[in-house]
Amino acid sequence: DIQMTQSPSSVSASVGDRVTITCRATQGISSWLAWYQQKPGRAPKLLIYGASSLQSGVPSRFSGSGSGTDFTLTISSLQPEDFATYFCQQANSFPFTFGPGTKVDIK
Amino acid sequence: QITLKESGPTLVKPTQTLTLTCTFSGFSLSTSGVAVGWIRQPPGKALEWLAVIYWDEDKRYSPSLKSRLTITKDTSKNQVVLTMTNMDPVDTATYYCAHGIVRQLWIVGFDPWGQGTLVTVSS
Repeated sequence: DIQMTQSPSSVSASVGDRVTITCRATQGISSWLAWYQQKPGRAPKLLIYGASSLQSGVPSRFSGSGSGTDFTLTISSLQPEDFATYFCQQANSFPFTFGPGTKVDIK
Repeated sequence: QITLKESGPTLVKPTQTLTLTCTFSGFSLSTSGVAVGWIRQPPGKALEWLAVIYWDEDKRYSPSLKSRLTITKDTSKNQVVLTMTNMDPVDTATYYCAHGIVRQLWIVGFDPWGQGTLVTVSS
């Protein structure tokens, strides 16, 4: 199985800050990487697929980059509704696997 | 608009079989390029992918759980059913079904997800 790691595990930030989250795969997954946002008590929501393609309806302040084993999710200007946990998921091969999550909370 | 909703028992006893139903609308699992998956999340923990079923009946399972899982679809009812045998307390989790985003016949992500259903395994 491909293992996914994320860093940091948590980050404290203020509204307006630029936030970057990193995801790493234990083997190359090309661009088969998705990012999700999850708020407490809610289901995850797809933000990015294909490493950099923005899912319909997702604000443009979210962006993704990377290929191979190293990926980043960037929130260009953090908004109050962005405080949540973010997960990456590799879609390169079965079994699909998720990262452990990065919690973005208020500084 | 695509929606999904999970239903099933909230409490099961160890060794019992769990049956969860995902009822969806806004798409058909008889249409080429469509897929539905199941993912679970133990309380306070990360997401774990369980299984996926495609429009053409192709099915894929998590290898660590494959012997315990069965995924089926009922196209006429717009439902996907997941069964998990020999339930254990470690299987306590919120179980989600989700619509697969398919590009070039490959799932690139899941969206949207159902609201999830918390299943507790306890005697």
